[in-house]
This record gives sequence, structure tokens and C-alpha cells, in this order.
Amino acid sequence: GAGVSQSPRYKVAKRGQDVALRCDPISGHVSLFWYQQALGQGPEFLTYFQNEAQLDKSGLPSDRFFAERPEGSVSTLKIQRTQQEDSAVYLCASSPSLETGREQYFGPGTRLTVT
Amino acid sequence: KQEVTQIPAALSVPEGENLVLNCSFTDSAIYNLQWFRQDPGKGLTSLLLIQSSQREQTSGRLNASLDKSSGRSTLYIAASQPGDSATYLCAVRGVGTGGFKTIFGAGTRLFVKA
Repeated sequence: GAGVSQSPRYKVAKRGQDVALRCDPISGHVSLFWYQQALGQGPEFLTYFQNEAQLDKSGLPSDRFFAERPEGSVSTLKIQRTQQEDSAVYLCASSPSLETGREQYFGPGTRLTVT
Repeated sequence: KQEVTQIPAALSVPEGENLVLNCSFTDSAIYNLQWFRQDPGKGLTSLLLIQSSQREQTSGRLNASLDKSSGRSTLYIAASQPGDSATYLCAVRGVGTGGFKTIFGAGTRLFVKA
């Protein structure tokens, strides 16, 4: 596709449920990032992949959060036993190369509401 | 630890005004700084990317400057239009974390009145 896509766009989960959020980066993009954006705040870094390797997961808030990118393209962010504080918009971004100076292209995000 | 601050938090101006949005960061060891626009309920749209070796970038009515030594960037919007109403986010990609992390400011919410 032309840009980064994410699905679902909206997700409502009952507290304690597990959720899986999908990101389809721009075809051929090597780098992939996940961010969490709370209402009225800027995005906060969660994790980074270079191809299938997860090189930085220091931003994941707890061990209930898990991300994977097994074939170096599509990525899934999984949240187990969701809590109300997990309610946020989850943004995915991709970048075309390993160069740290390259631009990031963002998807529309998944808005997660935990009730 | 890198911290990014954006001032003002919100801004309301009449159509046609020129305006400046400010971004400051605490650690000058950066690879680049990027300005984004975010419309309500939408993802981020990249506006301008300034590499650490550059001083400014221009695109249409937008001009972004970077003073790495003082930890500051400004986004200048000329002849503002109602369609410019959005949240503007500043983000820096730091050297210290291997270049993986991008740290965002909280944004400036801009409203341009017709």
C-alpha cells in the first residue's frame, strides 16, 4: 500500500482481556517503531525493530506488553490482561533504512479503550 | 535523559498572521529533529525533517530552524490559514539511545480563526 496501515482502528476491551494490534509498514521499510499516545500528550516510544530483530524494548511499560515482527514486515503489539491505564492511541511508524537520520512515516493509529 | 518541551501549549490566531512555535530539548546529541502535524483522531504527518548538521528546512509556508548547541528549534508558519489548525509536534532522535528512540514534545494546539 501507499502508507503505513494499522488495524483495528478502534478497539474496546474489557479489563483483563488480551488484545492484539497490527501494523503493516510501507513495503520494504527496514525499521519499525511502536508508540503509545495518551490523550493530550505526545507519543511515547515503546519499542523498535530492525527487520525481524527487536533492538530496543525499553519503552514497554510492563511485561504485559509484547511486540513481534517475525518475518520483518508486519508487526503485532500484544497487550495481555488489559488495564484501564492502557487506554491510549497506539501508533506505528516505519522508516526505509537503517540510517538513523531517515524520516519516520506514521500510521493512523489504533485507539484502545479499556472499560 | 532527553526531554522535549513545546511552548506555547495552545495558540489561537486570526487568519493571515505569521506565527512561531517553539521546541526545546535538553540533550544536544541528536541525529535529527522532526516537526509533525496531527489532526484530531488521526496519525502524524511529517512536515519537516532537519538533520543535526543542518540549520533550517523550508517547505512552502513552513520554515523550521535548528540550533543544536542551545537545544532549540522553531517552526515558522507564514500567512496562517484555518486549514493549519491542528496539533504540531516536535520530535528528536537521540544519539545516546543508539538512535532508536524518538522523544516527542507534548505539542502545540493551534487554532486559526477565519
